[in-house]
Amino acid sequence: GAGVSQTPSNKVTEKGKYVELRCDPISGHTALYWYRQSLGQGPEFLIYFQGTGAADDSGLPNDRFFAVRPEGSVSTLKIQRTERGDSAVYLCASKISGVSETQYFGPGTRLLVL
Amino acid sequence: GNSVTQMEGPVTLSEEAFLTINCTYTATGYPSLFWYVQYPGEGLQLLLKATKADDKGSNKGFEATYRKETTSFHLEKGSVQVSDSAVYFCALGSGAGSYQLTFGKGTKLSVIP
Repeated sequence: GAGVSQTPSNKVTEKGKYVELRCDPISGHTALYWYRQSLGQGPEFLIYFQGTGAADDSGLPNDRFFAVRPEGSVSTLKIQRTERGDSAVYLCASKISGVSETQYFGPGTRLLVL
Repeated sequence: GNSVTQMEGPVTLSEEAFLTINCTYTATGYPSLFWYVQYPGEGLQLLLKATKADDKGSNKGFEATYRKETTSFHLEKGSVQVSDSAVYFCALGSGAGSYQLTFGKGTKLSVIP
């Protein structure tokens, strides 16, 4: 079946602009996660959704970052007033809650802020 | 807080060599432990996992044993292949259902014929 998909695969923007990154989880997966991976580092947890609600957003670095999942499926990560330090690969993952601990990752969106 | 420290790379091995990638962790409670792999041009994939002390995870010839006394989860393979060339990430899971993964920095492995 289809895996986790993320769009766009690459995004180039200018400092100060607003960007939206989209994640389509595996059908039926109720849990959804966002991670950020900077060059040479492992992924860092940003936020976790269970259904439509954010169960843990403790990893969001500041209030410029926001994520939504209005219908409990697709999620959008929104970054306001982008900064050069926001450049990274943004990863999305999903899993079936209560059945397995395995998170399935998408290919990521590579964001470059000029 | 939780943290994972893994062997720095890159690691270059000849085909059929023995592989060890060290991983140690710091965590409160009893986390689950994972190894994820990222092949060139692909997304992160779960390689193996262990959910409690002394458990051994295994997959595709790779093994790792959850050692609580040494807080370690070292990855091993007896005979690597060129197709094992990838970046390997050690991770621990905390929270209900291990929802929050904490990753190490990754170790790049290159296997040469």
